[in-house]
Amino acid sequence: DADVTQTPRNRITKTGKRIMLECSQTKGHDRMYWYRQDPGLGLRLIYYSFDVKDINKGEISDGYSVSRQAQAKFSLSLESAIPNQTALYFCATSDKGLAGGSTGELFFGEGSRLTVL
Amino acid sequence: LAKTTQPISMDSYEGQEVNITCSHNNIATNDYITWYQQFPSQGPRFIIQGYKTKVTNEVASLFIPADRKSSTLSLPRVSLSDTAVYYCLVGDMYSGAGSYQLTFGKGTKLSVIP
Repeated sequence: DADVTQTPRNRITKTGKRIMLECSQTKGHDRMYWYRQDPGLGLRLIYYSFDVKDINKGEISDGYSVSRQAQAKFSLSLESAIPNQTALYFCATSDKGLAGGSTGELFFGEGSRLTVL
Repeated sequence: LAKTTQPISMDSYEGQEVNITCSHNNIATNDYITWYQQFPSQGPRFIIQGYKTKVTNEVASLFIPADRKSSTLSLPRVSLSDTAVYYCLVGDMYSGAGSYQLTFGKGTKLSVIP
């Protein structure tokens, strides 16, 4: 089983619908992230959370919200989806990095491909 | 946040050594340099990380000059399976909550030719 699991893997929806993308992890990491990737572009950070009580906006948070239900679960919501939110969404986790004695590398899920018609 | 600049794309023949250079002129004292590899429709995967001089692991080497304003990822004897996008990231690996972000640019698309 994957350490970082995203559901759904693919979703087609219509403009104005509410969509939730879910992420769960078994790595025991405190830090979780949501990224968005558009064709030919890099990954852009939407939101990140360093623990259950910590939520921070990333570069492109407008139109999105998140919920950190538990250490292992971090959900991304689109309250009213629009076509330009069509993209590949990645969830990632990391530990505390060098403050915790490691590299702080990001571990990514397999992605959720969202299409908004 | 330190911005990074990488070539958009590179081509290489199988068996050659590939060097991808990343510029990060405004790197901060606490910033580390990390490289990731991404295959199509997959999440990026950590390759290597360094602060200064040279770091080597089983996959790649990372060369960082004394001024740390650039870094070079070196892939020895590439194969077709090394065809991917490579991202250079610069970030403060010691930061606490609220100040630690990793920004991915567009990366370098490496195409390995038979």
